[in-house]
Amino acid sequence: ETGVTQTPRHLVMGMTNKKSLKCEQHLGHNAMYWYKQSAKKPLELMFVYSLEERVENNSVPSRFSPECPNSSHLFLHLHTLQPEDSALYLCASSQGGAGASKNIQYFGAGTRLSVL
Amino acid sequence: EDQVTQSPEALRLQEGESSSLNCSYTVSGLRGLFWYRQDPGKGPEFLFTLYSAGEEKEKERLKATLTKKESFLHITAPKPEDSATYLCAVGDSWGKLQFGAGTQVVVTP
Repeated sequence: ETGVTQTPRHLVMGMTNKKSLKCEQHLGHNAMYWYKQSAKKPLELMFVYSLEERVENNSVPSRFSPECPNSSHLFLHLHTLQPEDSALYLCASSQGGAGASKNIQYFGAGTRLSVL
Repeated sequence: EDQVTQSPEALRLQEGESSSLNCSYTVSGLRGLFWYRQDPGKGPEFLFTLYSAGEEKEKERLKATLTKKESFLHITAPKPEDSATYLCAVGDSWGKLQFGAGTQVVVTP
């Protein structure tokens, strides 16, 4: 079982659809992250959860709604997306807490999202 | 405002031709400088973390170094399998990572 697993790997949705992205980590970490990666741009941090509490929301539009039911699972619920939301969505986890070694983030393979 | 800038944007090398990638940064309260490798269609894979100026780390053909303002990733005698996008990130005092846009490296036989 790989460390961080994301499903689905690919998703095509219309602007009126509702879908969810799933992330599961098997590393025993207590912090989880959602990033958006667009072509030629740096990874954009969207949400951070630490011990299942949301500690960061980087001005993300409300059409993106995260959920963290426990320390191993993270979801990103999507509704009424726009074409500019098409991107690679990456999930990561880390041990959390102070110190550089604890902040090493391990990434899943991502979900390639296309909004038509 | 914190900034991370990587150069060059793209690098094409012949197999065996050594080169260096640059990551310059401005951040208050640096908590680690991280290098990742990303292959097409995959998530970033952790390579190194450097914590203090003067620190160096090596892994196979890769060597990362850190100064107070920048980090270098040296690729020695690269092979085609070293082709990837290399990402640099800085950790801030809150433990968050800020990424650069990456350097795409292509190594041809």
